[in-house]
Amino acid sequence: QSALTQPASVSGSPGQSITISCTGTRWDVGGYDYVSWFQQHPGKAPKLIISDVNDRPSGISTRFSGSKSGDTASLTISGLQPEDEADYYCCSYTGSSQYVFGTGTTLTVL
Amino acid sequence: EVQLVESGGGLVQPGGSLRLSCSGSGFSFRSDWMQWVRQVPGKGLLWVSRINSESTSTNYADSVKGRFTISRDNAKNSLYLQMTGLRAEDTAVYFCTTSGGDYRSPRFAFWGQGTLVSVSS
Repeated sequence: QSALTQPASVSGSPGQSITISCTGTRWDVGGYDYVSWFQQHPGKAPKLIISDVNDRPSGISTRFSGSKSGDTASLTISGLQPEDEADYYCCSYTGSSQYVFGTGTTLTVL
Repeated sequence: EVQLVESGGGLVQPGGSLRLSCSGSGFSFRSDWMQWVRQVPGKGLLWVSRINSESTSTNYADSVKGRFTISRDNAKNSLYLQMTGLRAEDTAVYFCTTSGGDYRSPRFAFWGQGTLVSVSS
């Protein structure tokens, strides 16, 4: 099972918006509306920020939003804040009753 | 407060075995699918295995199939990962996480702090 493809890095200035893409195949991202996004700060466990493509868990800022088109899911962070600087991972259910994570994206807030 | 606490990591020689444990509290452990996810330090996340609430369904990543066995004891609110035939590439921090009652959604809402497994001679 190959990892989903994410850009290695993205950057933005405080207040700006950024979008991170997550590209898979019809056997994972394209086949199911079961894509989650996780934020991970150094030395910490991942934190769920989006589930089921565009559902925000309780307590997650409305600045985080998700979407999907075809085989590509996207995470948008609006109104960037310094604390958003972290690694971000997508994850999708697959047709083999498995899960696959993305390659990860490092967000730098300039 | 939800808590997941992993234990059992350590240094093991190639070909050796290790059993990881994860103790859960503060949520409906016996109702939830449970998962193991690993991360090589400085690298990305890799899903390893999952088990349903009644232990009647298990799934594994291709890279560990036949070598790792996931199990649980709901009476003890505990999740386990028996690892055999360990390889250098299994070196990673192993996290346990929950995904609620849905068997497809990767809604991994709660995570432990992880336990480090090092495979080296």
